[in-house]
Amino acid sequence: DVKVTQSSRYLVKRTGEKVFLECVQDMDHENMFWYRQDPGLGLRLIYFSYDVKMKEKGDIPEGYSVSREKKERFSLILESASTNQTSMYLCASSLHRDNSPLHFGNGTRLTVT
Amino acid sequence: GEDVEQSLFLSVREGDSSVINCTYTDSSSTYLYWYKQEPGAGLQLLTYIFSNMDMKQDQRLTVLLNKKDKHLSLRIADTQTGDSAIYFCAEKGNNRLAFGKGNQVVVIP
Repeated sequence: DVKVTQSSRYLVKRTGEKVFLECVQDMDHENMFWYRQDPGLGLRLIYFSYDVKMKEKGDIPEGYSVSREKKERFSLILESASTNQTSMYLCASSLHRDNSPLHFGNGTRLTVT
Repeated sequence: GEDVEQSLFLSVREGDSSVINCTYTDSSSTYLYWYKQEPGAGLQLLTYIFSNMDMKQDQRLTVLLNKKDKHLSLRIADTQTGDSAIYFCAEKGNNRLAFGKGNQVVVIP
């Protein structure tokens, strides 16, 4: 079974802090994704990556950056956290670019105060 | 671009069937997916259907696809309390998945 592990289930940070959300997958998947989930808005794609050191903007990249130095790890970075970034963050991976389904981690609930 | 619509809430008695509906806009979508999210967890892939199929059955789950109307449905037979969750449909187009906003299913014992 594919395992996608997000390092924290809950995080509380202060406005202006730099925040790192870490995600690791153990199945040699090519593709990795970061979504945020908000009530009434569903899942929105922040950034994704099809290969090491490669990244592409999703639908809502503003205020975020990502890093993929190794194939198994995809980090989401909030350079200066703001209260409107309080959300559930979900990491996902898939084997290939085309039709492989996404496998999700359990999510990180981030609160910015 | 992709746009996926779902109704928001469904309550159903244990043992009855549940039907969750979804409409999508991207006619070039190749695969359509159903994901389940239990409280406090990430999304779990339930089933998927290729766009050239009309129906797929997988144990208690039946997926129906009406490509002409761009309508996807998920039927859960003999709904159990463990089926209480949020269900998301998603379409694969333009090399990314577009998700609906989710449909919360509450199973009443």
